[in-house]
Amino acid sequence: QKEVEQDPGPLSVPEGAIVSLNCTYSNSAFQYFMWYRQYSRKGPELLMYTYSSGNKEDGRFTAQVDKSSKYISLFIRDSQPSDSATYLCAMSGYNQGGKLIFGQGTELSVKP
Amino acid sequence: EAQVTQNPRYLITVTGKKLTVTCSQNMNHEYMSWYRQDPGLGLRQIYYSMNVEVTDKGDVPEGYKVSRKEKRNFPLILESPSPNQTSLYFCASSPAGMNTEAFFGQGTRLTVV
Repeated sequence: QKEVEQDPGPLSVPEGAIVSLNCTYSNSAFQYFMWYRQYSRKGPELLMYTYSSGNKEDGRFTAQVDKSSKYISLFIRDSQPSDSATYLCAMSGYNQGGKLIFGQGTELSVKP
Repeated sequence: EAQVTQNPRYLITVTGKKLTVTCSQNMNHEYMSWYRQDPGLGLRQIYYSMNVEVTDKGDVPEGYKVSRKEKRNFPLILESPSPNQTSLYFCASSPAGMNTEAFFGQGTRLTVV
């Protein structure tokens, strides 16, 4: 079983839809939770960063962490075609030697 | 502009021919690492470095070497490439451990035939 599980999709939605992306994990030592966005032929770029449990909002993006369920989510409101990309969840903890553990990534396509 | 620069972006080579992928960052970051990205497997760490002359293995280090002689540079060396090392490689840097924001390079697509 992988430490971090993420549905690879692909996920296709119409413009303006609310998108929900999710990851589950098994390591209870994870404390840092991130979402990266990766456009085709580009490197990942940090989108959202959350420490421990709770919600964080940044414009149209909301990240949620539920440590009791070992479940994290990224919500995208009013999705745009420019949001079409692969979204990677990533996690780390104090005992990870500074290493990020990534999910497989979810490919999202927002149709005009 | 703050960036991580990898070269080359694309490389096709033959089995057994030594190659080096360079990585350089201009943000004075202490922590650098190499990842490979494969379909269905996501990003997996190959090697990392917490500072100059300090390197350690990640999850998939077999067949790779690294060095960190200067803070800004972190080359990835494949002494004898094999077809199973065909992959998309990313270099990343962060101020102090990957718990903080990591900046990724543009990637190097390597094909070993």
